[in-house]
Amino acid sequence: EVQLVESGGGLIQPGGSLRLSCAASGFLARGYHMTWLRQAPGKRLEWVSATHSGGTTYYAESVKGRFTISRDNSKNTVYLQMNSLRAEDTAIYSCARVVPDDSGWIPFDYWGQGVLVTVSS
Amino acid sequence: DIQMTQSPSTLSASVGDRVTITCRASQSINRWLAWYQQKPGKAPKLLIHKASSLQSGVSRSFSGSASGTEFTLTITSLQPDDFATYYCQQYDTYPWTFGQGTKVEIK
Repeated sequence: EVQLVESGGGLIQPGGSLRLSCAASGFLARGYHMTWLRQAPGKRLEWVSATHSGGTTYYAESVKGRFTISRDNSKNTVYLQMNSLRAEDTAIYSCARVVPDDSGWIPFDYWGQGVLVTVSS
Repeated sequence: DIQMTQSPSTLSASVGDRVTITCRASQSINRWLAWYQQKPGKAPKLLIHKASSLQSGVSRSFSGSASGTEFTLTITSLQPDDFATYYCQQYDTYPWTFGQGTKVEIK
């Protein structure tokens, strides 16, 4: 059974750092593009960052230079290092996988349950 | 960034109704569009990808279509379990972007 389990969320002061983890099971994450998304209360879903199976990484402009996505294939885990956190980063953060398909990609077929990150003094 | 605009924002319907939600992209996205269903406190569920491909395990009462930069999600006969919020999302170009959501409520 495919599962994605996030951890590492919590309450952090502005300017602080957190590292989120997304542990995958039931499949080998190294063969998939893995993504972090977030949803602030009452707001639409927002794509944050992606790491492709080949190693290329992508970031939303709002987090570029502050967040870093990485993966540890030996642990089947994807990470999101978040530095210089701001109040506007407060959201539920979820990881999701993207399936490379013969005709392109199938986006976000599995999601984690999400972790809450609250940036507040 | 590609802007995704959904309409309506809220829709009141009854069980058995045919429901249509529209999503418009600010530029061509080459049918790289997905639809998701989200219920409170739950992760989104992928319904449709590549504009009209039904995700495995999803009810055939859901269908998607495309015309240029306008995309449509149709639920042919609304069931009690279908009351939720629906999002469209483009995955043609990074940053991938979502619509603002359409909440389907019980009339």
